[in-house]
Formats: sequence, structure tokens, C-alpha cells
Amino acid sequence: DGGITQSPKYLFRKEGQNVTLSCEQNLNHDAMYWYRQDPGQGLRLIYYSQIVNDFQKGDIAEGYSVSREKKESFPLTVTSAQKNPTAFYLCASTFSVDQPQHFGDGTRLSIL
Amino acid sequence: RKEVEQDPGPFNVPEGATVAFNCTYSNSASQSFFWYRQDCRKEPKLLMSVYSSGNEDGRFTAQLNRASQYISLLIRDSKLSDSATYLCVVNVNYGGSQGNLIFGKGTKLSVKP
Repeated sequence: DGGITQSPKYLFRKEGQNVTLSCEQNLNHDAMYWYRQDPGQGLRLIYYSQIVNDFQKGDIAEGYSVSREKKESFPLTVTSAQKNPTAFYLCASTFSVDQPQHFGDGTRLSIL
Repeated sequence: RKEVEQDPGPFNVPEGATVAFNCTYSNSASQSFFWYRQDCRKEPKLLMSVYSSGNEDGRFTAQLNRASQYISLLIRDSKLSDSATYLCVVNVNYGGSQGNLIFGKGTKLSVKP
């Protein structure tokens, strides 16, 4: 089955810890995205990548980092510099920027 | 003016009602428009694309008004299962090149028995 897989579904972060959220897709999509959604709020773009080995900052990149070493994979690291990381994190992918994006089922990150 | 604006609702309607949502966008050069549905604590899912000529999918009709820069979603014969948040999504152009999709904050619909 083609799709986007995010893991883990739930994640807890300790003070001062970096954590990495996984996103894998087998849709052969070129572009991949990370969004953050806070309760009752819209999606905010963290980082995106339109091609392997290249990525761009979105609107709220501070405290986050990404890599795109393979077409299928776009992991997001939430660093200790992100002081308010509790949120629902969504990964998406698409063939091109003007096409609909397809989402994984998300990771909920909380602070311990 | 925000890039994509929606009435947050909630729209509370009885089963069987017809309900319509509008969404305005600020970039007149935008080319791609979509409606997504997001259930509580779930990921957004594509409901339908919005074409210049308008399009219909069963009980759902989407329309685009470029002159007034808004898109609309009409739901006929509402079902309990239509209860969700509906996100308006627009592709924003910057300097002639296509940018990323911008998601509205959503309109919440609650269909009551």
C-alpha cells in the first residue's frame, strides 16, 4: 500500500533532549513537508524539501532541523532550543508544489 | 490581509441541512485550490480540488470566484459523519513562481441528529 508513515505516534521529550520524528513515503513524491499544529490552530510550516539533499526553512524553523538524504525519508529533529515543542506534528508529501499534499497520521509530542 | 481566511465557526446544523463555507485568499495569482477535511486529532485528508469551472462530488460542490478571490464548499443533505473541520488550501505565487500551499485555519462543522 502506498502512503506516508510517521513514527512514533506519541513521543515524550525530557528537558534538554533532542528527539527525532520519522517520516517515510513510498509514493515516489519529490516534495516533502513538516507542519506543526497546536490545539485549535491551523497548520504552520516548519521545513520543506523539494529535492533530495536540499531543504528550505518554513515559517517556524527555529529550534528544528531536518535532513533529506533519501527521496523516501525526511526526518525532523526537535532540538532542545525549541522551548515549546508540545504539538501535533504532521508530515506531508506531493509530486509538485501546486498539487495536493498527502499526510501521514502524525506524531504527538509532549514534554515530560 | 491574511493569505487565506476562513470563518472558524462552529456551524451547527441539523442532519439533512445544506451548509456552505466560504474562504477568501489574498494572492490574485494563485492557481491551485483545495478543500481538505480534518477530523478531531487526525491528519487532514483531501476532500476535493477546486477547478475554475466548479466541480461536484456527490453531495459536495466546490466553486472558485477569481474576481472576488474566494472559494466555496457546499454540502447538501448533511450527515452526522460530515462533522469535522474543513480546511481551505491555496497555492500562493511569489514573483511569478509557484510557492507552497497555504492552509486556512479551518471551519468547524457539527451536524446534529
